[in-house]
Amino acid sequence: DQQVKQNSPSLSVQEGRISILNCDYTNSMFDYFLWYKKYPAEGPTFLISISSIKDKNEDGRFTVFLNKSAKHLSLHIVPSQPGDSAVYFCAASERGAQKLVFGQGTRLTINP
Amino acid sequence: EAQVTQNPRYLITVTGKKLTVTCSQNMNHEYMSWYRQDPGLGLRQIYYSMNVEVTDKGDVPEGYKVSRKEKRNFPLILESPSPNQTSLYFCASSLAAHSYEQYFGPGTRLTVT
Repeated sequence: DQQVKQNSPSLSVQEGRISILNCDYTNSMFDYFLWYKKYPAEGPTFLISISSIKDKNEDGRFTVFLNKSAKHLSLHIVPSQPGDSAVYFCAASERGAQKLVFGQGTRLTINP
Repeated sequence: EAQVTQNPRYLITVTGKKLTVTCSQNMNHEYMSWYRQDPGLGLRQIYYSMNVEVTDKGDVPEGYKVSRKEKRNFPLILESPSPNQTSLYFCASSLAAHSYEQYFGPGTRLTVT
């Protein structure tokens, strides 16, 4: 069963606008969430994270929101830039479990 | 420069021919992990290691082996590769499994014919 789901395989946004990537999870024991960005022919790179004790974390143009009651998190990119075009993975972990559980990924394309 | 390296980056092989994908990190991380990425499935964990000589299965361990004889190295071994192991493989390392970002290698694209 897919414990972390990214239901949008792709998203296209105009440069300068806001990009919103969504992620849902089913395991209520997850307490730490991360977003990774992946360019072609490279490994994923860490973007931003959030602990379940918070509902928002911001880093420059990137903000992650966590809604625990809905088991939903989202990544906002404002303003979107062409270099943001990549595949974005959300991931989750629970204390005591020795792994990250990843979503399927969303391919973001920023159009000039 | 802090990094995770993998070799080879690309490999085409035939069914049944044993192969090893190497992984090395220079950050003195205790935790290392192998993932495979397949279309529509995201990244799935194959094996992980919490420290030297401590390894355990992830979600999709069948057909794979690993070893952790040194802290920096975590090779992935396919004793008898099959076509369903054609995939993109990533090695990753971190200070710990939880609450720390994982650093990923550049990936190894494996094709088994």
